[in-house]
Amino acid sequence: AQKITQTQPGMFVQEKEAVTLDCTYDTSDQSYGLFWYKQPSSGEMIFLIYQGSYDEQNATEGRYSLNFQKARKSANLVISASQLGDSAMYFCAMRENQGGGADGLTFGKGTHLIIQP
Amino acid sequence: DARVTQTPRDKVTEMGQEVTMRCQPILGHNTVFWYRQTMMQGLELLAYFRNRAPLDDSGMPKDRFSAEMPDATLATLKIQPSEPRDSAVYFCASGLVPNTEAFFGQGTRLTVV
Repeated sequence: AQKITQTQPGMFVQEKEAVTLDCTYDTSDQSYGLFWYKQPSSGEMIFLIYQGSYDEQNATEGRYSLNFQKARKSANLVISASQLGDSAMYFCAMRENQGGGADGLTFGKGTHLIIQP
Repeated sequence: DARVTQTPRDKVTEMGQEVTMRCQPILGHNTVFWYRQTMMQGLELLAYFRNRAPLDDSGMPKDRFSAEMPDATLATLKIQPSEPRDSAVYFCASGLVPNTEAFFGQGTRLTVV
């Protein structure tokens, strides 16, 4: 079974609209972290936002927020007021067993977001 | 602006040749990761180090790949001999784990012909 599932291979959104990118995860650990990264066409991986499994509030970073629903094991990324520069691949990732020595990230397959003017 | 630096950015080599990729992590970070990105497999963790000690290299083909961290400012990933299926983008990342994000370098695009 996949640990991180991103069900939207591609999305087209009008500029200035809000965007929700879906991510569901699978783990039996109690302590884990969820991450979103952006990969523009230039290829670099840019960290956007982090949510710890014990964090009670949804994480926010500027126009990015993470809609964390623990019981549903979902960690959707919300981008408010989308801009042309938001066009990129977006990856959801998980770090399991945080604090227990397993530090690598498991990534989803990504969503290709295209913002249209 | 602190960043992870990877060299070379692009590498084209012939099958059977040795390839060495280098990474300079962000100063002060205690953990260094190597990831590989391909269209088919996506992003996969190859290996990582904590305080220069290798902690996990289970994602790495052992017969041809090796990862080392000779000092705190340099991590290397070596492939010998290289094969066409090794063609991918190789990312190095560093961080102060376990509870923070990893910062990625710009990657090395490897093409083995």
